Parts: sequence; structure tokens; C-alpha cells
Amino acid sequence: GQNIDQPTEMTATEGAIVQINCTYQTSGFNGLFWYQQHAGEAPTFLSYNVLDGLEEKGRFSSFLSRSKGYSYLLLKELQMKDSASYLCAVMDSNYQLIWGAGTKLIIKP
Amino acid sequence: ETGVTQTPRHLVMGMTNKKSLKCEQHLGHNAMYWYKQSAKKPLELMFVYSLEERVENNSVPSRFSPECPNSSHLFLHLHTLQPEDSALYLCASSQEAGTGGYEQYFGPGTRLTVT
Repeated sequence: GQNIDQPTEMTATEGAIVQINCTYQTSGFNGLFWYQQHAGEAPTFLSYNVLDGLEEKGRFSSFLSRSKGYSYLLLKELQMKDSASYLCAVMDSNYQLIWGAGTKLIIKP
Repeated sequence: ETGVTQTPRHLVMGMTNKKSLKCEQHLGHNAMYWYKQSAKKPLELMFVYSLEERVENNSVPSRFSPECPNSSHLFLHLHTLQPEDSALYLCASSQEAGTGGYEQYFGPGTRLTVT
């Protein structure tokens, strides 16, 4: 079956750096997405990786290793507003998104 | 209006009721999606429409009936629901379906409670 694993919850301190990992096993691969979802709100797109390596976008970076079935989202200079759930999703061979259950990130002052 | 809108935002219905959820996208996209989001579970894809044609139906019970009259509007008709259908129902759109690289844009969701 298809599976996306990510930690259920993480805690970090304001101003610090946090890395949220995602491992996947899917039938085929057509890219990996990261989304942010604040409580009670819609998921919003953060990043897309289809080739191995690091994609940087301001305070957020996303890394992909296709051979290891692994990605991470790196958040730097954490702010209180970064408290949210972070969803990892992989596009499979049928171009369907397979979603992880999300990682709830708690930022403490 | 911009982005993806959904109405109503909250809905409480009895098991014998019939109701509909509405989604509208103002992004000029060709694909629209219905998802179910339950607490601490992955998003579950329910239906995919591409250019008003249903291209995916992921074994969803017949008590959920989608309708896509045009590429900007998507409905989810509900009838004879069960308490386990209580969840957040999210609508999304993307430039295309069936191809890689296009992110999906989500509406704020309808919080459905079945009593």
C-alpha cells in the first residue's frame, strides 16, 4: 500500500530552527508537496520538489532524496505565527496526491 | 471574491436530511477536488473533476454525490449521512489534473456535524 509518515507533533522555540521529516512509500513518484495549515483554516502551499536536492524559499527550505523516499521541511528563525500543522503529500504514478497525517508544530516563546 | 470559496462554513444535519455543499474557484483552474479531513488523519481524496468531467471517484459511499456544472463551481450533495461522516470537507482547485507540478489551492472548508 501507499504510505506517508511524518511525526505527529513537534515543539520548538521562537527564533530557533526546526526540521520536519517525511518518509514515503508510493506507487510511482511525480513530486512532493509541503503545505501549512493553521487551525481552522485551509491548507496553503509551501513548496514542491521533484528533483533531489534543496529548494530554498525565504525562511523555509525543503529537501528531497528520491532514492531514500525522504523529504524534510526546514523552518528557520521561527516565529509564533509558524505554529501550525505541516502536511507532506506525494503525487503518485496516477498523479494523485497521497497525504500524510500532518505534523503539528508548537512554537514556544 | 478571490481564491477558492466554500459555503456554508458550518453545517449541522440529521441523518435523514439532505443538504449541499458549494465550492467556487476564481482562479481560472481546470481541475477541482473534494477532500474529507478527519482529526489526526490524512486528507482523503473523494472526487476529482477535470474540465467538468469526473476523473476520479475513490470508493466514496453513494450518500455523497458530486456535481460540477462548470469549471468554476463544484457541489457535494449529501443525504442519509452517518455520524462518522462528521468531518471538515475541503474543496480545492488546480490548473490541471492528471499531470505533475501544479499545486492545489484550498477553500476554507465546511465543518460538517451529523447528529
